[in-house]
Amino acid sequence: NAGVMQNPRHLVRRRGQEARLRCSPMKGHSHVYWYRQLPEEGLKFMVYLQKENIIDESGMPKERFSAEFPKEGPSILRIQQVVRGDSAAYFCASSRTGPGGETQYFGPGTRLLVL
Amino acid sequence: QQPVQSPQAVILREGEDAVINCSSSKALYSVHWYRQKHGEAPVFLMILLKGGEQKGHEKISASFNEKKQQSSLYLTASQLSYSGTYFCGTSSGNTPLVFGKGTRLSVIA
Repeated sequence: NAGVMQNPRHLVRRRGQEARLRCSPMKGHSHVYWYRQLPEEGLKFMVYLQKENIIDESGMPKERFSAEFPKEGPSILRIQQVVRGDSAAYFCASSRTGPGGETQYFGPGTRLLVL
Repeated sequence: QQPVQSPQAVILREGEDAVINCSSSKALYSVHWYRQKHGEAPVFLMILLKGGEQKGHEKISASFNEKKQQSSLYLTASQLSYSGTYFCGTSSGNTPLVFGKGTRLSVIA
């Protein structure tokens, strides 16, 4: 049973470009979470999605950031007009049911570097 | 509200024990423990649900005191492979996890 998959694993963008990060949850999981991690820091919640719905986006900046989880295909975290401060590791996690009482399994992450 | 982890860092010799604490200012429904090695994804260790249970996994166990809104992770007879940063994530119900800043554990020979 394949785990959570993320691609690309590394992404380099210049300031002002767009970054698209993809996440395929574990088989049988319909709940996806995105986290951002700065070097030597903890995981900061960004957004929680269920198929075709955004459930909680309280941790996601209102501008330039968006997320989707379509009926078919992976979840996508999109960052428009990237700035140097967006450089971080972005992790996706998935669970079988909602948060709180269910284990979340993490993908390998996408390391974004903005030049 | 981010849970507070202590200590921030600890160095152990192989075979020694350690306790990592996680406390919250909010009523908790669950506590999730993960270990992350440098440059890798967090790896799930265990989940504790409301009810004050204690769980064990080989030489790693944890307790959850919901009244005190605290959880502790116990590492016994540490091995080199235990090195990494340990995170607790807390939830107050059907809410996203909020992670602590982590405890960096280094096990030396």
